[in-house]
Amino acid sequence: EVQLVQSGAEVKKPGESLSISCQASGYTFTNYYISWVRQLPGKGLEWMGRIDPRDSYTHYSPSFRGHVTISIAKSISTAYLQWNFLRTSDTAMYYCVRHSVLEKLPADYWGQGAPVTVSS
Amino acid sequence: DIHMTQSPSSLSASVGDRVTITCRASQGISDSLAWYQQTPGKAPKLLLYAASSLESGVPSRFSGSGSGTDYTVTITSLQPEDFATYYCQQYYSLPYTFGQGTKLEIK
Repeated sequence: EVQLVQSGAEVKKPGESLSISCQASGYTFTNYYISWVRQLPGKGLEWMGRIDPRDSYTHYSPSFRGHVTISIAKSISTAYLQWNFLRTSDTAMYYCVRHSVLEKLPADYWGQGAPVTVSS
Repeated sequence: DIHMTQSPSSLSASVGDRVTITCRASQGISDSLAWYQQTPGKAPKLLLYAASSLESGVPSRFSGSGSGTDYTVTITSLQPEDFATYYCQQYYSLPYTFGQGTKLEIK
């Protein structure tokens, strides 16, 4: 069974750093990109960026480039989304998703979401 | 970036109704268009891909069509579980972009 299991809820202060994780199972990790999607409270979905597990190549949306870092640990089939300096505006739900590197297809599996609250 | 515009932003309908949601891309996306359904507190669920292909397990009352820049999803005979928010997404070119969402509410 394909699963993307995300780390739990986080509460942080502005200026702090944070890394959230997404552990994949039930499929060949290197056959699927991992992307991250943000959903601000009560708002729509925003694609943040993706990583290719074969070579760790990343592509970021201009809206997020320079503020977040996407990485992977291939040996444990886990992807990460990291901030070095959180802002209150980073308060949101974050989803990891997978989509095929072999075919042009959309994300078919989503993690359960990780709520992040940034507040002083 | 390709901008995706959905309409309407919200829609009221009754169980049994037929509804259509439209998504327009700012440039051609060669049918690389997906539709997702999100219910409150849940992760989005893939309904359709390649504009008109039904994801496995999705009821046949959902259908998609369109080409070029204009796409639609139609739900025939609305069921209570269909009242949710729907998003289109283009996966033609990076960065992948979503429409702003359409909230389907019970009339």
